[in-house]
Amino acid sequence: GAGVSQSPSNKVTEKGKDVELRCDPISGHTALYWYRQSLGQGLEFLIYFQGNSAPDKSGLPSDRFSAERTGGSVSTLTIQRTQQEDSAVYLCASSLDRTPANEQFFGPGTRLTVL
Amino acid sequence: GESVGLHLPTLSVQEGDNSIINCAYSNSASDYFIWYKQESGKGPQFIIDIRSNMDKRQGQRVTVLLNKTVKHLSLQIAATQPGDSAVYFCAENGLWAGNNRKLIWGLGTSLAVNP
Repeated sequence: GAGVSQSPSNKVTEKGKDVELRCDPISGHTALYWYRQSLGQGLEFLIYFQGNSAPDKSGLPSDRFSAERTGGSVSTLTIQRTQQEDSAVYLCASSLDRTPANEQFFGPGTRLTVL
Repeated sequence: GESVGLHLPTLSVQEGDNSIINCAYSNSASDYFIWYKQESGKGPQFIIDIRSNMDKRQGQRVTVLLNKTVKHLSLQIAATQPGDSAVYFCAENGLWAGNNRKLIWGLGTSLAVNP
């Protein structure tokens, strides 16, 4: 596709369950970002991948959160033992690389609701 | 701390009027600034950017002004239209503690255009 895609668009889960969120970046984009956005709030950086470099995990809120990027393309964000405070929209973005002038292109997000 | 704040969380304007959205940034070493627009249910979309060696940049109906002296950024939208209703985020990119380059996002301003 032409843009960043994310799946599922909506996910409802029970507290304590694990969830996996998927991101397909724009083809050729080497940088991939995950953000979390709570209702009415700004973007909270979670993790960043750039090529084959070690990911920047500095934004992950706890060890229940992890992410992988296989083959430098598709990425999966995993949340283990979900809590109600994990409820948010999880946004993925990709860009050509991390230099300042490179625009981030965002996907539509996955809305996660933890009951 | 690392933060980009907004003077006004909400802004309501009449259709056809000009809108001004303000943003205060915190890092004097930031050298690149971006405005994003986020419509309801969608991911953020790039509007316009500006480097720190400039104080003004114009796009189609939008102008970004940068005042490095007071660390202030503004987005001006001319002849505001209903389709401009969205949340607008500013973001700063620069070197932070540990010589790490990061893109830090503001909380967002909600713009409502009244017909």
